[in-house]
Amino acid sequence: DTEVTQTPKHLVMGMTNKKSLKCEQHMGHRAMYWYKQKAKKPPELMFVYSYEKLSINESVPSRFSPECPNSSLLNLHLHALQPEDSALYLCASSHYTGQSSGGYTFGSGTRLTVV
Amino acid sequence: GQSLEQPSEVTAVEGAIVQINCTYQTSGFYGLSWYQQHDGGAPTFLSYNALDGLEETGRFSSFLSRSDSYGYLLLQELQMKDSASYFCAVRALGNTPLVFGKGTRLSVIA
Repeated sequence: DTEVTQTPKHLVMGMTNKKSLKCEQHMGHRAMYWYKQKAKKPPELMFVYSYEKLSINESVPSRFSPECPNSSLLNLHLHALQPEDSALYLCASSHYTGQSSGGYTFGSGTRLTVV
Repeated sequence: GQSLEQPSEVTAVEGAIVQINCTYQTSGFYGLSWYQQHDGGAPTFLSYNALDGLEETGRFSSFLSRSDSYGYLLLQELQMKDSASYFCAVRALGNTPLVFGKGTRLSVIA
């Protein structure tokens, strides 16, 4: 299995809702990432998990809460989002965070719309 | 920190060759990567240069010159399906994740 699977593919939520994005990989990768991507912009790093521990939080607002239940799963819990949080949320995984391996495998993303 | 510069848009004709350049500023890094992203899709890993020189994978080649802080992605025999955004990316030394350039939108025309 060489894929990163993200669910749901599309999500519309109100500003008072609580929802979760899910990401799963079975490639044995020990680093997992959440990126946010706005239209015509590059992916912007949000969080990094290395060996199931949060290693990087890029000053993301607390309304985004990541969770890594095990080495294959990564969740992003959403609460009280703002319309400007509407974006494509990408999950990725890789073998290492700090070694020379170049390749990240990305999921197809969750297209989030906050209304 | 790191910064990467690449052209925002490139247009090329089907069957032609196109080169997408990437210049970077970083104090030290493992290598230069390239990703392709079609509209509405996920970024897909294309290539990785850890050492100076040219890496070839089918129609795509990537080049790195550390002394010039410069790399490029070369696409040959362009096809319409190559229309996409292309991102260069670096991972700085240490326990750091990938940082992406702003992306180059390639449009292949008939």
